[in-house]
Amino acid sequence: RKEVEQDPGPFNVPEGATVAFNCTYSNSASQSFFWYRQDCRKEPKLLMSVYSSGNEDGRFTAQLNRASQYISLLIRDSKLSDSATYLCVVYSSASKIIFGSGTRLSIRP
Amino acid sequence: ETGVTQSPTHLIKTRGQQVTLRCSSQSGHNTVSWYQQALGQGPQFIFQYYREEENGRGNFPPRFSGLQFPNYSSELNVNALELDDSALYLCASTPWTATYNEQFFGPGTRLTVL
Repeated sequence: RKEVEQDPGPFNVPEGATVAFNCTYSNSASQSFFWYRQDCRKEPKLLMSVYSSGNEDGRFTAQLNRASQYISLLIRDSKLSDSATYLCVVYSSASKIIFGSGTRLSIRP
Repeated sequence: ETGVTQSPTHLIKTRGQQVTLRCSSQSGHNTVSWYQQALGQGPQFIFQYYREEENGRGNFPPRFSGLQFPNYSSELNVNALELDDSALYLCASTPWTATYNEQFFGPGTRLTVL
């Protein structure tokens, strides 16, 4: 079993839809959690840190469920520009920074 | 912009050769990490440097080595290149002010090994 797992997708949704991704992790000692987005052939860009209490940034909401060991990302009112690969990152220590393989999202007009 | 730069942008080497990739981050970003990203995969953690010392390493062999310099630049060296080393190599820096170890990536170096 991978230490960090994501549904690879692709998710293909219409503009304006709400879409949600989950990411599960196996190390219960994990400390920090993040969502990054990566456009084709570009570097990952930090989208959100994921706080224990959950956090929201505009149309994006991130949640952490330590009991079930997953984090989630919700995108509301999706835009064409949201099309990208979304990577979850779990940070356990300086020697344990693990990226998921990414979930591909495609928004159609 | 993250202020993290990498050079070169692209590089072609042959099997058995050695390569040095470079990264420069902003002042105050005293932690730098290097990643290897194969096509269609998430980045794989190679190692992390903090104040010029390696303080974490992923599952990569010793032929992957690095350096961090006082001027916030760093290097990734790979010896005895193998075909499977072909990938996008990313460096990411973390400012000392980061609350949750947020990392900011450079644009990457695309390495092709023939």
